[in-house]
Amino acid sequence: DTGVSQDPRHKITKRGQNVTFRCDPISEHNRLYWYRQTLGQGPEFLTYFQNEAQLEKSRLLSDRFSAERPKGSFSTLEIQRTEQGDSAMYLCASSDWTGPRNTGELFFGEGSRLTVL
Amino acid sequence: AQKITQTQPGMFVQEKEAVTLDCTYDTSDPSYGLFWYKQPSSGEMIFLIYQGSYDQQNATEGRYSLNFQKARKSANLVISASQLGDSAMYFCAMREGRGNAGNMLTFGGGTRLMVKP
Repeated sequence: DTGVSQDPRHKITKRGQNVTFRCDPISEHNRLYWYRQTLGQGPEFLTYFQNEAQLEKSRLLSDRFSAERPKGSFSTLEIQRTEQGDSAMYLCASSDWTGPRNTGELFFGEGSRLTVL
Repeated sequence: AQKITQTQPGMFVQEKEAVTLDCTYDTSDPSYGLFWYKQPSSGEMIFLIYQGSYDQQNATEGRYSLNFQKARKSANLVISASQLGDSAMYFCAMREGRGNAGNMLTFGGGTRLMVKP
């Protein structure tokens, strides 16, 4: 399978615990995105990387959230001291941005569903 | 103001008939891209179709076509000959700018399409 993969697919944790999600993008895709999707809503942008550089972060990304893409390949999203409001689906996407002629289509993984008790 | 508005929370369509899912957008950027994604119950976001703001013709991809009305800022998705497998959430999304600044997509709230046999 050469699509975007995310792990774990499901995570149940108690409030206050830390959780980490991993995303493996399509190989050679230079851009990687994290989105959050709550029930019945569309995905909301959290952050994105171009290669290993984190170039933009949403206001939604509080200081309890941190994302890394150390070698420009896989990425991790860590949530510290989880709260019940963090319960959501965390979607990772990648794209191969080569310039303005590129449509910029994002390829999404199946998501990591977080439930905070 | 909402950048992407999908006014139909849910839609029913009879199998083999056509259906139109509405999407209006708001941007002052002359260069933008519009996307439609399908999200089945498995959670993965599946890219369906893309329309660039400078494209002269409406985009088509198999049974999907995009009714792009630039002056009205609408980008409705038309699905012809509906199939049971089309039952899913459908999201309209927009990329503002030419993508150099990150290519983040802003999503609407989605429309749940249910195809009746």
